[in-house]
Amino acid sequence: SAVISQKPSRDICQRGTSLTIQCQVDSQVTMMFWYRQQPGQSLTLIATANQGSEATYESGFVIDKFPISRPNLTFSTLTVSNMSPEDSSIYLCSVEKGLGNEQYFGPGTRLTVT
Amino acid sequence: ELKVEQNPLFLSMQEGKNYTIYCNYSTTSDRLYWYRQDPGKSLESLFVLLSNGAVKQEGRLMASLDTKARLSTLHITAAVHDLSATYFCAVKAAGNKLTFGGGTRVLVKP
Repeated sequence: SAVISQKPSRDICQRGTSLTIQCQVDSQVTMMFWYRQQPGQSLTLIATANQGSEATYESGFVIDKFPISRPNLTFSTLTVSNMSPEDSSIYLCSVEKGLGNEQYFGPGTRLTVT
Repeated sequence: ELKVEQNPLFLSMQEGKNYTIYCNYSTTSDRLYWYRQDPGKSLESLFVLLSNGAVKQEGRLMASLDTKARLSTLHITAAVHDLSATYFCAVKAAGNKLTFGGGTRVLVKP
C-alpha cells in the first residue's frame, strides 16, 4: 500500500489568489495523479505528474491555471492559480503501486474560494 | 473517449436485503476499480478487478467483471448501516489514468 499525506487539509481563499497543495508519499512512485472532486460530484483527473518531465494535462485543464511540480519520486505540488468560486472543490493526489496496479488516494485538500 | 456510467445514482437499502450496483464502460480496459467514499473523507480502495470473469469478495461486498460486456457489478449482501457511503467504479485507460463513474450514494435504513 501507500501512505499519502496532503497539505493543507483545507483552506478558505480569496478570489484572485493562488494556493499550492503539497502531496507526499511514503515511498518512491513513478506516476502521481491530481484529481478534482467538485461538491457532490465524481472525480475528474486534472493531470498526471511524472518526475523529470512536464505534467500531462487532461482536456479542460491548463498549465497556467494548474501548474504542477514533481521534483522527486515522493513529492508533488499542485497550484490553483487566480482562484474563483468555481475552483471550490476537493483536490486529491493519487499514486499507483503494487503488482495489481492499485491506485491509492491522499486525504484530499478541501478548498473554498470566497 | 472512455465513458463510465454507474447506476443507480442513489440506492436506499433496507437492512438485511441484497442489492447490486452496475458499472458500464465504453471502451476496452484491463483494470476496473471499486472505491468507497464516506462523507468528508477520501477514497478507500475496495477491489481491483484485473481480468474477464474476475470475482472478488470482502465481507458483504462482492465485485465481478465481464470485459466482453464491459460491465462490472458490486453486489451487497444483507445490507447493514455501516455500508452507507458513496461507491465509485473507475476504469483504467491509456496512460494509467482512471476515469470514474458518477458514483452511487448508498443509504442503508434500519
